[in-house]
Formats: sequence, structure tokens, C-alpha cells
Amino acid sequence: SAVISQKPSRDICQRGTSLTIQCQVDSQVTMMFWYRQQPGQSLTLIATANQGSEATYESGFVIDKFPISRPNLTFSTLTVSNMSPEDSSIYLCSVLGQGAQGYTFGSGTRLTVV
Amino acid sequence: QKEVEQNSGPLSVPEGAIASLNCTYSDRGSQSFFWYRQYSGKSPELIMSIYSNGDKEDGRFTAQLNKASQYVSLLIRDSQPSDSATYLCAVSGGSYIPTFGRGTSLIVHP
Repeated sequence: SAVISQKPSRDICQRGTSLTIQCQVDSQVTMMFWYRQQPGQSLTLIATANQGSEATYESGFVIDKFPISRPNLTFSTLTVSNMSPEDSSIYLCSVLGQGAQGYTFGSGTRLTVV
Repeated sequence: QKEVEQNSGPLSVPEGAIASLNCTYSDRGSQSFFWYRQYSGKSPELIMSIYSNGDKEDGRFTAQLNKASQYVSLLIRDSQPSDSATYLCAVSGGSYIPTFGRGTSLIVHP
């Protein structure tokens, strides 16, 4: 299955600033997903990012707040903009693998906004 | 609205017992079904995928799918304390966008 390198693993940020999270995949993948997970909660899909097209955002998430870049089939970034303490969460990227490989996740970014 | 329902638990079983985790889904067009394990502070990891009705076995794990009842389950035989984790059920259809359940917390006690 695909191997994903996600950076940074954690960060503490000041409110009003922005953080960009990167995911690098060791193989070409068509679909990449960005999730948010509060501690003890399930995964909330932020957006789906396909190479060469604009990301598709889920209800409650907007491009101005969470701009996504997908320049090629192995890389994507998610930016959390103008952060507030409510943005404190774990952010995960995920890709759809080939055949029965299912969805593989990055190791996550633990974000704390102070 | 596509929904995937799981009992949040916790499900507590003694070591060596069979743990049974259940999941129901709302979208009859769903084609692919997955079980993930997530340890606290870690990202989800795939345990099993199943695509057709019936049982699929992999070591101590068996996934069961019944599309008519819109039901998928995961059985863990000979449960070990290291199996203690949250188990997420995921379902996807033609769009390949997965829907995850809230997860069931499993505790295996010695």
C-alpha cells in the first residue's frame, strides 16, 4: 500500500496565523482526502483533492479557510488559515490505493492554536 | 446523507474471547467496505476490506458483509489486549469518497 509522509507532526500556533500541512505519497494516486479529527471523535472529511482540478469541499468547510494545493499525483498541501482555538485538532491526509488496498492515512498533524 | 452507524461502546471482552463489531450503512449503492483500527494518538490503519456478500477471513479477523441487510461486521478471534483500540467502519461507492462511522471502542482485558 502507499506510504504517506505528513509534515509537520505537530505544531503550536498563534491565533490569526496560518499553517500549511504537507503530504507526500510514495506513489501516484488519483484521489487524496483531508480530514479533521477531534480527540476521541471520528473523522470529518474536509475536502477531496484530485490532481488538476479544484478541491471539492464538504459542507461546513470553505476554500478561504482551508485552501488546498494538489500540484501533482504524489503531493498535496492543506492550509489552515486565520486560525482560532476552535481549529485545534488533528489533521490527516489520506489516499485511495490500488485494488483492495483501501485508504491509507498519513501519520497526522496535531495542531494547537493558542 | 450517507450514514454509517456503529455502536460507540466500549465493548469489553476477556482475553481469548471473540469480539464482534457491527456496522450498518444507509447507501444501498455502496460497493466497498473497510474496517480500520485506530490506536489512541495514531492514525487509522486498514485491517480488512470486503466487496462481496459473505465472509472474508484474514488470520484472527473475519469480515462479514450482508448487502441486503446493509450490514457489515468484524469478528476478532482469540482477542488480545493489544487489540484494544477504536475500530472504524468505512463504506464507499462509485464516487470513491469514503464515509466513516464514529467507531467502536474495544477493550480486551486480561
